Amino acid sequence: DAGVIQSPRHEVTEMGQEVTLRCKPISGHNSLFWYRQTMMRGLELLIYFNNNVPIDDSGMPEDRFSAKMPNASFSTLKIQPSEPRDSAVYFCASSRDDNEQFFGPGTRLTVL
Amino acid sequence: ELKVEQNPLFLSMQEGKNYTIYCNYSTTSDRLYWYRQDPGKSLESLFVLLSNGAVKQEGRLMASLDTKARLSTLHITAAVHDLSATYFCAVDSAYNTDKLIFGTGTRLQVFP
Repeated sequence: DAGVIQSPRHEVTEMGQEVTLRCKPISGHNSLFWYRQTMMRGLELLIYFNNNVPIDDSGMPEDRFSAKMPNASFSTLKIQPSEPRDSAVYFCASSRDDNEQFFGPGTRLTVL
Repeated sequence: ELKVEQNPLFLSMQEGKNYTIYCNYSTTSDRLYWYRQDPGKSLESLFVLLSNGAVKQEGRLMASLDTKARLSTLHITAAVHDLSATYFCAVDSAYNTDKLIFGTGTRLQVFP
């Protein structure tokens, strides 16, 4: 299995632009998680899905952030409009019922 | 609310020495996970501990779980430079077992 796939790996954009991050979970996994990691705040869970349904979005910072999972093999995290404080590494992870989460390589986002 | 605390936060140790990283959590949980993160890389699953008294070993690392004390330890034996990384523990949320709560991480640096 290829593992969790994320794209792009690096994204540099200007403040105010829309950013879309993409994730393909491991085949057969039924839960998908979006995390954000920064030096100041560490690893934060933003939102997670179970069987394509959003279960807990309490970590989403504000309305500028949205996430979708239209099917079992694809999810997006969108930031509109982006701000410099959104600069971070965004990880996607997936798991089956046994809860061990497998992380993707991450997307390093820089908002200028 | 489940809280997970790790100590120490930073650990600088000499090659060949032994040391232990501690992970305390605040509410009942049956599953604990250890992850490793190399600088600029993603999180890699190291150990999954599923019951009280569980002990797992991989090379120079050994992890254990005491659910009664709400404590897990990650013991490093005869450290080598290749073990330099940040180590995270994570615990199932008490009310929603899909969600993991991560500790702050322990940054380990092994020097000659």
